[in-house]
Amino acid sequence: QKEVEQNSGPLSVPEGAIASLNCTYSDRGSQSFFWYRQYSGKSPELIMSIYSNGDKEDGRFTAQLNKASQYVSLLIRDSQPSDSATYLCAVSTGSSASKIIFGSGTRLSIRP
Amino acid sequence: NAGVMQNPRHLVRRRGQEARLRCSPMKGHSHVYWYRQLPEEGLKFMVYLQKENIIDESGMPKERFSAEFPKEGPSILRIQQVVRGDSAAYFCASSPLGQSYEQYFGPGTRLTVT
Repeated sequence: QKEVEQNSGPLSVPEGAIASLNCTYSDRGSQSFFWYRQYSGKSPELIMSIYSNGDKEDGRFTAQLNKASQYVSLLIRDSQPSDSATYLCAVSTGSSASKIIFGSGTRLSIRP
Repeated sequence: NAGVMQNPRHLVRRRGQEARLRCSPMKGHSHVYWYRQLPEEGLKFMVYLQKENIIDESGMPKERFSAEFPKEGPSILRIQQVVRGDSAAYFCASSPLGQSYEQYFGPGTRLTVT
């Protein structure tokens, strides 16, 4: 079992709709969870971090964490064509919790 | 506040040569991480360093690869005797000392081995 699993996509969503991206992780001791956005040929950009169960909202982005189910998700409201990118889920692991494991990413495409 | 800096941005090496990739963390950041990304694949953790210390190198290949983060100067990822399979994007990230472990990435070095 992969440590961090994501559906590779592509996920196609119409402009203005809600895009929902999902991620599961295997290490029950993980404490920190991150979503990164990566445009083709560019470096990953941190867009959300979440540390406790529940929802965290930042503009059009909402991260949701459920540690009991080992599940973290990212919702993007009012999707824009500029949101088309690969979204990487990342989870801290290891004894010091400073090592971060990335999922392989979900490719999101927003169609006009 | 300058972000994470990496150089060179593009590096071409012939098989058997050495590649040196440099990373300067964001100001105030004391943790450096190196990742490798193959085309159409995710980021693979390689090594985590603090100044003068390798904290976790569990993702580093056993041979030809080494990393350092000296007291002065940038972090260096060194690949000796490069092979075609080393062609990839190498990203460096840094994070501040603390509990959040949020990592901020540099622009990457694209290594091509011919």
